[in-house]
Amino acid sequence: AQRVTQPEKLLSVFKGAPVELKCNYSYSGSPELFWYVQYSRQRLQLLLRHISRESIKGFTADLNKGETSFHLKKPFAQEEDSAMYYCALIDAGGTSYGKLTFGQGTILTVHP
Amino acid sequence: KAGVTQTPRYLIKTRGQQVTLSCSPISGHRSVSWYQQTPGQGLQFLFEYFSETQRNKGNFPGRFSGRQFSNSRSEMNVSTLELGDSALYLCASRRVGGPSGELFFGEGSRLTVL
Repeated sequence: AQRVTQPEKLLSVFKGAPVELKCNYSYSGSPELFWYVQYSRQRLQLLLRHISRESIKGFTADLNKGETSFHLKKPFAQEEDSAMYYCALIDAGGTSYGKLTFGQGTILTVHP
Repeated sequence: KAGVTQTPRYLIKTRGQQVTLSCSPISGHRSVSWYQQTPGQGLQFLFEYFSETQRNKGNFPGRFSGRQFSNSRSEMNVSTLELGDSALYLCASRRVGGPSGELFFGEGSRLTVL
């Protein structure tokens, strides 16, 4: 069974500090990993996906298959980054399409 | 383009009743997925529909069912409601040919079971 673990429920940093949100997964097949974000009073939205290898809003995430991790990083956090972040996994080789497995989420608070 | 629209946004039911939630995907999106969000279990996949056919199903009892219409709108139904069914139910759509896992979410329907 596939599983996504986000060990931190809450994460607080100060503006300008680096931030790293941890995500570990367990899956025997070929996974595709995502980060979704939910800002206050907004709907859940895709932040980035590992195969895109792009930086969105200054965030990057690298898939480490050896450590089965997909940590989200930003070198200089901003107050507007405060949100709930979800790591999610899908079976890249199957027919999962819209069937995501989500972690429990991490609430990031960036203090001024 | 209008986003994913879910109705009703809030509803209160009592145990034993049934409820139907509706979801209108983004225009042109033919895949609709449903998720249950609770503080204890987080976001859990319920089912996915594409072209009026259920394509994937999560680990929920048979009381949870869904369907999709020819215009891609989807409904989910929960029968014989239990207190534990209180949750935010999220609908998400995916565009045709879009990458797996790239979902566009609605604001959700918050169900309270008394």
